[in-house]
Amino acid sequence: GDSVTQMEGPVTLSEEAFLTINCTYTATGYPSLFWYVQYPGEGLQLLLKATKADDKGSNKGFEATYRKETTSFHLEKGSVQVSDSAVYFCALTKGAQKLVFGQGTRLTINP
Amino acid sequence: DSGVTQTPKHLITATGQRVTLRCSPRSGDLSVYWYQQSLDQGLQFLIQYYNGEERAKGNILERFSAQQFPDLHSELNLSSLELGDSALYFCASSVGFLDTGELFFGEGSRLTVL
Repeated sequence: GDSVTQMEGPVTLSEEAFLTINCTYTATGYPSLFWYVQYPGEGLQLLLKATKADDKGSNKGFEATYRKETTSFHLEKGSVQVSDSAVYFCALTKGAQKLVFGQGTRLTINP
Repeated sequence: DSGVTQTPKHLITATGQRVTLRCSPRSGDLSVYWYQQSLDQGLQFLIQYYNGEERAKGNILERFSAQQFPDLHSELNLSSLELGDSALYFCASSVGFLDTGELFFGEGSRLTVL
């Protein structure tokens, strides 16, 4: 079945560092891809999305590009802040079916 | 605030017991989804309802059941609880069938089974 694999965490960085969180997927056809973020004590919220190959999703300084040739959707940010500390989930959906989530990657940013 | 309300926020109970978790979706959303988040299993899809009818089923145990009522709120019933059922249970809602792919999540109900 469809699945999402994320890089294992936790990830700890210093403020202003460059961030990459890897995400690869397995799916037949053409899924839509998403990054969700879960801040401490809160539910998940959509961070960005891309619905077709070569699309780039962006929000709050984060970016991810839908790479069909490598089945990847890596999350990047050029300069992280302490407030970016959260758990990040990569996810896919296909044909408006349920969202399939990766395991999540816990990110901690130190000042 | 996502607009999705879940109660209770925390629940502690014993093995063998039964609990009910409640979810009120965002105003206007017809779909409700239940997810279980545990440390070793990540975020697992349990079940989806659309306008009162079951639409999709995931890794939901037979001891668990859910329903969506005419006012669109939903309840997840967990029975014969085991230690391994301890987890954070999220409800999420969307307008339709994930047309935009965006789910709106509640803050979760944390269940501890002792």
